[in-house]
Formats: sequence, C-alpha cells, structure tokens
Amino acid sequence: QSVLTQPPSVSGAPGQRVTISCTGSSSNIGAGYDVQWYQQLPGTAPKLLIYGNRNRPSGVPDRFSASQAGTSASLAITGLQAEDEADYYCQSYDSSLSGSSYVFGTGTKVTVL
Amino acid sequence: QVQLQESGPRLVKPSGTLSLTCGVSGGSISTSDWWTWVRQPPGKGLEWIGEIYHTGTTNYNPSLRSRVTISVDKSKNRFSVNLRSVTAADTAVYYCARLSCIGGLCYVFESWGQGTLVTVSS
Repeated sequence: QSVLTQPPSVSGAPGQRVTISCTGSSSNIGAGYDVQWYQQLPGTAPKLLIYGNRNRPSGVPDRFSASQAGTSASLAITGLQAEDEADYYCQSYDSSLSGSSYVFGTGTKVTVL
Repeated sequence: QVQLQESGPRLVKPSGTLSLTCGVSGGSISTSDWWTWVRQPPGKGLEWIGEIYHTGTTNYNPSLRSRVTISVDKSKNRFSVNLRSVTAADTAVYYCARLSCIGGLCYVFESWGQGTLVTVSS
C-alpha cells in the first residue's frame, strides 16, 4: 500500500496548466527526504522527470516544475501538450519503526482533452 | 549512458520462485550507485522490492523481506532477484533500475530497464 497519496486523475486542454499533488507524512516527505517525480508513458518504463524536489535532469522541458512544502509536494505542467498524456508518480524515502523503504505515490493519470 | 536489461522466465508456477537477472551495459556495476528492483502489477502503481551495492550489501522492502533475495555478479556486470513462494499477487512487470545521487541529491531512480512481465499461473 502506497504511503504517498496522489489524485487518480487530472485533465486539461492543450496549453493549460495542471498540477498534481503528492501527500506524505512525517516519516517521509516531512522528515526531509527529497521527492522525485517520474513520467510513465503507456507501455514504457518510468522516466525521471524531477529530482531533489525541484530539479530537472537535462532534456526535460522547463514546462515541468515542482515544489515541496511540509509533508507534501506538487508537480506542475504548464503549456500542456498532447505528448504529456501519461501516468505520473512521486517518490521519496520512508523511515519509521516498521522499517525503511523507498516509496512511490499512488500515481496520477494526466489526460489532455 | 548506462543501459539495463531484464531477463528471465516470464511464467512461474504458484509456490515457485521468480528469478530475474538485470544486465548492466555501458558502465560498471562497481560504482557508487545502488542497483534495485521495482515491480508494477498490471494497471497498478510502482512498488520497490530491494536494492544491492556492488559489495553485496542489500536492503529490502519490509513487506517482501521474508521472500526476496538480491545478489550481484560483478564478473558479469549484472544483478539478480529471487522471490520465493509466489502467488498470483506477484504477477507484475518487474523493472531493474539504477539508484543514483545527482549533484549530491540521492535516492533517485535515474535509469530503468524496459521491464519484463512475469505471470504467476499454473
């Protein structure tokens, strides 16, 4: 069971801005562990989109931006394009009395209308 | 550019052992990175299975620790996962991935294999 919660779906018209939330807790995001974001196009492996809460790897368009505050993080896509239609996952690290583990969000499907 | 490729049986019988290998090309497995396995049941989200360092040090998802073993073969530049006592719930696409630090920021799944669907069925 995922410990990072995302909305199941978001949608927007081409050119619009959409945001995806990622809600964690004091044992993961709130503990200071960084958040990464991944894009998964249909039938393919996840691809790193954002690392260290807000940093884009080379080659990722600046339409993608992210932030983190408290126990939550968010990903924004501005100027939505058809090729952005995909599943998006946040990821962090969780450490509690029950053990430590990398954790992923529940995933959000972005639909371009 | 490091590339990863999963290989292994695509069909495993219930109560059997799932075994997959990840070949690493374009770079050495003996770096400061960790090497990891992630799975994704059909239509569902991602689940971390475990990780290994080239020295053999491992860490596992607490929910799978009793059934999983990850090993490394530095001579062949590859690492493997064994998952014992499988059931239909273990049917998933299994990915191998490289865990890296980028600019001092760690816990990043930087590179992924293409994934392989393993079905548990009799």
